[in-house]
Amino acid sequence: AQSVTQLDSHVSVSEGTPVLLRCNYSSSYSPSLFWYVQHPNKGLQLLLKYTSAATLVKGINGFEAEFKKSETSFHLTKPSAHMSDAAEYFCVVTSYNFNKFYFGSGTKLNVKP
Amino acid sequence: DVKVTQSSRYLVKRTGEKVFLECVQDMDHENMFWYRQDPGLGLRLIYFSYDVKMKEKGDIPEGYSVSREKKERFSLILESASTNQTSMYLCASSLGTGGTGELFFGEGSRLTVL
Repeated sequence: AQSVTQLDSHVSVSEGTPVLLRCNYSSSYSPSLFWYVQHPNKGLQLLLKYTSAATLVKGINGFEAEFKKSETSFHLTKPSAHMSDAAEYFCVVTSYNFNKFYFGSGTKLNVKP
Repeated sequence: DVKVTQSSRYLVKRTGEKVFLECVQDMDHENMFWYRQDPGLGLRLIYFSYDVKMKEKGDIPEGYSVSREKKERFSLILESASTNQTSMYLCASSLGTGGTGELFFGEGSRLTVL
């Protein structure tokens, strides 16, 4: 069975400081993993994806994530937060045939001036 | 760019009304999905469709039905709207087997049932 756990429901950082949003997954096969971002009253937008190629994945807006099989983790990081990064972030794992998607409960990122 | 278009961004309906939420995608994707999003509950799958006229129930199908008569269009129907169906509804599509699994989302439809 597949599942995703986002370890923090809320994260607050100061502008210019690093961001770490944590995600652990459970999967019975080699997973595909995604991070999505949602700004208020908007749909979800893909930030980055891991599909069994390089374990360090770079995404849009300076975000990256590292797939660690031994830790079953896929944490999202950014070296320096910007005010525009304030949003909700979702970690997602998909089934082997990409027909089902398992969402984490989301992490709301607050960026303080 | 893939575009998923939801016909209405904001709707206000009365209890008992029939509600149609329309979703159209322009990339010939096989899979289409309807989710509802509520604070503290994340995204929950209502229905998905992996081909024309094919559908499968998701986690919370009660009170909803769907229609997929054409590949590009996936409609969500609330036969008799109730106040507990007040929510944000998100449509998404994906290529399916052979793709990389990425979901493409519409902007969402915020439904209020009075």
